[in-house]
Amino acid sequence: AQTVTQSQPEMSVQEAETVTLSCTYDTSESDYYLFWYKQPPSRQMILVIRQEAYKQQNATENRFSVNFQKAAKSFSLKISDSQLGDAAMYFCAYRSYAWNTGNQFYFGTGTSLTVIP
Amino acid sequence: NAGVTQTPKFRVLKTGQSMTLLCAQDMNHEYMYWYRQDPGMGLRLIHYSVGEGTTAKGEVPDGYNVSRLKKQNFLLGLESAAPSQTSVYFCASSYPAGGPGGETQYFGPGTRLLVL
Repeated sequence: AQTVTQSQPEMSVQEAETVTLSCTYDTSESDYYLFWYKQPPSRQMILVIRQEAYKQQNATENRFSVNFQKAAKSFSLKISDSQLGDAAMYFCAYRSYAWNTGNQFYFGTGTSLTVIP
Repeated sequence: NAGVTQTPKFRVLKTGQSMTLLCAQDMNHEYMYWYRQDPGMGLRLIHYSVGEGTTAKGEVPDGYNVSRLKKQNFLLGLESAAPSQTSVYFCASSYPAGGPGGETQYFGPGTRLLVL
């Protein structure tokens, strides 16, 4: 089974600064999706950004961008110009293309981000 | 378009009691999933379904049963609740990977379950 590792349980950033959250994964598949989800105190899971493995170009969504290194199996999230509303738990996730396992999603254990005013 | 809804939002059970959590989606998704979230553990897959009438076990299926009698609904049952099942439960749905829309999973708001 695929595994997703987030080695930073907690991170903090000064408001308006930039922070990078790390994620590595283990897989033998060549096609897959990668995601970053945000979970604020409301517990709602909110999709931040996604990346298809076959795309070499790194995905960006406004202040959020990723550094996808397929060979290194690394998928980090960069948050620029951090805002107070960015404070949340962030989960890295992997979606398998394997049909016999229901295209399962595998999640990391999360990184809790604090934004300091 | 309500997306993914879960019923109830919060429930307290006594050890040994049974209950059913209901998940409903109105996006015509083939795939549906039940997860549990515990502190420091991320989301772990309990059971999933790739279509009406089909279900399969995920990473942590023991103590749970599921049914998908209708495409839009996915039920999670606890036959005899245990304190170890105290958790937040999330339902999610999606299209198959590799097809249109298959890159996204939509989550419900979660159900908080406390087993005493």
